[in-house]
This record gives sequence, C-alpha cells and structure tokens, in this order.
Amino acid sequence: DTGVSQNPRHKITKRGQNVTFRCDPISEHNRLYWYRQTLGQGPEFLTYFQNEAQLEKSRLLSDRFSAERPKGSFSTLEIQRTEQGDSAMYLCASSRGLNEQYFGPGTRLTVT
Amino acid sequence: AQTVTQSQPEMSVQEAETVTLSCTYDTSESDYYLFWYKQPPSRQMILVIRQEAYKQQNATENRFSVNFQKAAKSFSLKISDSQLGDAAMYFCAYRRGGSNYKLTFGKGTLLTVNP
Repeated sequence: DTGVSQNPRHKITKRGQNVTFRCDPISEHNRLYWYRQTLGQGPEFLTYFQNEAQLEKSRLLSDRFSAERPKGSFSTLEIQRTEQGDSAMYLCASSRGLNEQYFGPGTRLTVT
Repeated sequence: AQTVTQSQPEMSVQEAETVTLSCTYDTSESDYYLFWYKQPPSRQMILVIRQEAYKQQNATENRFSVNFQKAAKSFSLKISDSQLGDAAMYFCAYRRGGSNYKLTFGKGTLLTVNP
C-alpha cells in the first residue's frame, strides 16, 4: 500500500493556459474523488468515479474542467483556459467502496 | 444542503494538556457519518476519527475522542495529552449514509501546540 500519489505537486501557469493533473489511487480502490481546497477553506467536492465511470460532477466543475479515469486506474483532471480563480490545492482521494477516503498530498496550482 | 460549521479558526494548547475543537452540522438526514481529519503543514490529510450517527456511543481512538450530540447536531473533538505532533489544521466532515460518498468539510481549525 503505497498511498495516493499526485503529480505534479506544484504547478505555476499563466492565465489562459491548459493544465493537467494526475492522481494514482491506492491499488484496488474502486472509488476516486477530486476535491478543491482554497486558502482558508475546507476541501470542496468536485467529482467522483466508481471504477471508470464518472458518476457525479459538482456545479463547481465548470465546462473548462474535465476529468477522466481510463480503465478505472489513475485519473487526470484537466483545466482549460485557466483563470486566476482556479488557483487552489487540488486534492485526490480514493476508497474501497464506502470505506475511509485516503487523500493524496495534493497539487497546488498557481495561475499568474 | 448539508453544512458543517467550525466556529474556532484557531486554537492553542500547552503540551500534555487537553483541548476541545468544536463542530456543528446541519442535515435533515437520519443516516450519516461524521469525521475529523487532520492536515499537518504541507502534508496530506489523514483520518483521525469517525462516528456513525446510529451509534450512541462516542468514538474513541487513543488520545482522541468525540462528543457526539445528535439532537444538538454537535460533534466536538477532544485531544488529550496533546503532543507537538498534533499541531495541524483539523477539519470536521460529514457524509450522508447509503450509497452517498462525498464529504462535506468545515473551514477548519488551526491547532497550535506550545511546548
């Protein structure tokens, strides 16, 4: 059990650029979640996968955001045409069924 | 919609002393779970303790215990014999029961432990 990993850990980009983050869940965890955490706030739910199926997206996830989980393994979160308001920590978590969610270290995005 | 409120942005405690972090929540559900997560500086979030709403007994994990008041919708965390390694941001979180899955977090309480 190597834990949830996320790459990159930090990303600085210019407004208008596209960025992609990757999350590798704990092996055999069928559920994968993305959350966003801004300064001074708790994490907010973005989207959720059960295996390869994306089952829910928060209204926080605008059309510029897309997430995938091909083959039910790793997941990617892409943000197109980044805006300064996208600056945040993006957290990934995974779980086996409805058991405890294990969080990764996060990807900190800074949009300049 | 469910909401979670942590009214203490910051708390401090002396090493070896006891501290209580407060959390209230709002829900119309009867089946749900409550959690306390710890997020140390620049490190990932880890689960400290969980409480099932249907259980009357308060959860305990070593030096960590909760005071779950279902009628009052209150869920406080008590840390006994505080250690320097307890310093972190603490988040209270809620999850509906059944097949629901997503966590709803409070804004967090930053705990400082003074030597």
